[in-house]
Amino acid sequence: GENVEQHPSTLSVQEGDSAVIKCTYSDSASNYFPWYKQELGKRPQLIIDIRSNVGEKKDQRIAVTLNKTAKHFSLHITETQPEDSAVYFCAPSGGGSYIPTFGRGTSLIVHP
Amino acid sequence: DAGITQSPRHKVTETGTPVTLRCHQTENHRYMYWYRQDPGHGLRLIHYSYGVKDTDKGEVSDGYSVSRSKTEDFLLTLESATSSQTSVYFCAIRTGGYNEQFFGPGTRLTVL
Repeated sequence: GENVEQHPSTLSVQEGDSAVIKCTYSDSASNYFPWYKQELGKRPQLIIDIRSNVGEKKDQRIAVTLNKTAKHFSLHITETQPEDSAVYFCAPSGGGSYIPTFGRGTSLIVHP
Repeated sequence: DAGITQSPRHKVTETGTPVTLRCHQTENHRYMYWYRQDPGHGLRLIHYSYGVKDTDKGEVSDGYSVSRSKTEDFLLTLESATSSQTSVYFCAIRTGGYNEQFFGPGTRLTVL
């Protein structure tokens, strides 16, 4: 199965700073690379995703970049705000599998 | 968010008792999943279903069984609950052509 690692496990930033979370995976057949955000006490929600034929995707202050050769993808959040404080999960999958494998999560804390 | 519900939302039970959690979707999606979420472990797949009466095991299936007799309902059963099954359980549906996961609101289960 897919081995997935997320780094860092905790990230503390000041409001307005940028934050980057990295996800490495093992299955070279993976072709779908999403990021989920989970606020305290709530369900995880998809915030951005990328397919394997695209190297970067942006949506306002968030972006995802993909390096298929090195088998990692990253979540970038610019101009962080306190409401960005949450746990973020990556969950790569593909290659004919219907099962995403979730990373252990990164707790992002944005200090006002 | 009305497309997927879970019941009950909270449950406290005793060791050795059977417990059934229900996931209900209104959107006729083929793939449904059960995850458990524990601190430090992220989201781990218990079982998944790829159609009515078609189910398969996930990473942490021991002690759990599932059933799917209708497209809209996916049931998770703990035959004899143990304290190690205290967790938050999320149901999810695959909403698109890739493995996008849309999660239910979760069930918090405590086994005493």
